[in-house]
Amino acid sequence: EPEVTQTPSHQVTQMGQEVILRCVPISNHLYFYWYRQILGQKVEFLVSFYNNEISEKSEIFDDQFSVERPDGSNFTLKIRSTKLEDSAMYFCASSVLREKNIQYFGAGTRLSVL
Amino acid sequence: EDKVVQSPLSLVVHEGDTVTLNCSYEVTNFRSLLWYKQEKKAPTFLFMLTSSGIEKKSGRLSSILDKKELFSILNITATQTGDSAVYLCARSGGSYIPTFGRGTSLIVHP
Repeated sequence: EPEVTQTPSHQVTQMGQEVILRCVPISNHLYFYWYRQILGQKVEFLVSFYNNEISEKSEIFDDQFSVERPDGSNFTLKIRSTKLEDSAMYFCASSVLREKNIQYFGAGTRLSVL
Repeated sequence: EDKVVQSPLSLVVHEGDTVTLNCSYEVTNFRSLLWYKQEKKAPTFLFMLTSSGIEKKSGRLSSILDKKELFSILNITATQTGDSAVYLCARSGGSYIPTFGRGTSLIVHP
């Protein structure tokens, strides 16, 4: 069964460093998403992406965040200057269409900012 | 204020028990109610509910939506240890982006 894959599974970085989290969405899906889940808290939406541009973003997705689809398969989330509070599990998801509404999640990248 | 409220927060049962998980939500621009199962990592899709009163079923799991009372339940019959997970409820509104509840942590003991 097709799945969303994310790399790395765990990323440790120093505060102030830039990180790039990578995702390969399911191949025929058109909408891509990033979520984060701080330990013990809710899954929170960050951003959605369609047709090579951001379609929606939350208040969390400020100027330190950016997303890109550098080629036909990868979808990346960049955090420019990491802060301690960026430590969380970051999930990538994809869906066939926005209206279909069923999003398939990757296994996540655990980001630890020291 | 939370737009999706799940109860109970945690539940401990024995194998073979039946459990009912609850989810209430805000009605604003409601489109659908989704249930996910989150084991160690990724939320795995279980059900999407859009119509009131129509039960969706998958094996021992079933779910139903009540759009008048603004809630949904997820039932699991004859629980197994493999059902141990956090069950997430999410509502989607005008933007189709799901807003998640805090989840119900289910532990099934052998």
